[in-house]
Amino acid sequence: ETAVFQTPNYHVTQVGNEVSFNCKQTLGHDTMYWYKQDSKKLLKIMFSYNNKQLIVNETVPRRFSPQSSDKAHLNLRIKSVEPEDSAVYLCASSTKTNSDYTFGSGTRLLVI
Amino acid sequence: DAKTTQPDSMESTEGETVHLPCSHATISGNEYIYWYRQVPLQGPEYVTHGLQQNTTNSMAFLAIASDRKSSTLILPHVSLRDAAVYHCILSNTGYQNFYFGKGTSLTVIP
Repeated sequence: ETAVFQTPNYHVTQVGNEVSFNCKQTLGHDTMYWYKQDSKKLLKIMFSYNNKQLIVNETVPRRFSPQSSDKAHLNLRIKSVEPEDSAVYLCASSTKTNSDYTFGSGTRLLVI
Repeated sequence: DAKTTQPDSMESTEGETVHLPCSHATISGNEYIYWYRQVPLQGPEYVTHGLQQNTTNSMAFLAIASDRKSSTLILPHVSLRDAAVYHCILSNTGYQNFYFGKGTSLTVIP
């Protein structure tokens, strides 16, 4: 099956803990993205990587850091979570034409 | 930084044809119009996209105004599975970050 796969689906943690989310795409795309979807369902871009190189880094707190081992994987680490980090984190991938921009099903983070 | 305007919500009855409007008055010449939809607990799903000509696929028909300042996503014979939030987004070719607004929440009544 070719798609964007995210793990875990859900994660509950306490303030100050470190979390890491995984994303893998089997579509042969060379660009991957992380989005944050807040409680109002708005999606905001956080990072994008092209062939393991960071190409976009929107204004996000420094506790967020993307990690890419190859063009098929882009993980997201949050060093010390805050309550406002509770959200859905969506991973996506694409080729240059964008016509095949594909999202994963998301990782739901709850910080208590 | 969404550049599109959509109604917050629309309602339809199963089997009807739904017209979802989108206004993009400041669209630039090389921007494509994309439509995605999202259901709860899932990521956004690609529906269709176009530049200037109307387009059609198995999911929907996209009608683009001749001045490109608006477009309409037409869903023929909607079913309960079409209930979702529909997002209209502008993007250039090349690597672009999609900016999603609130979209239109479509409710389908049995």
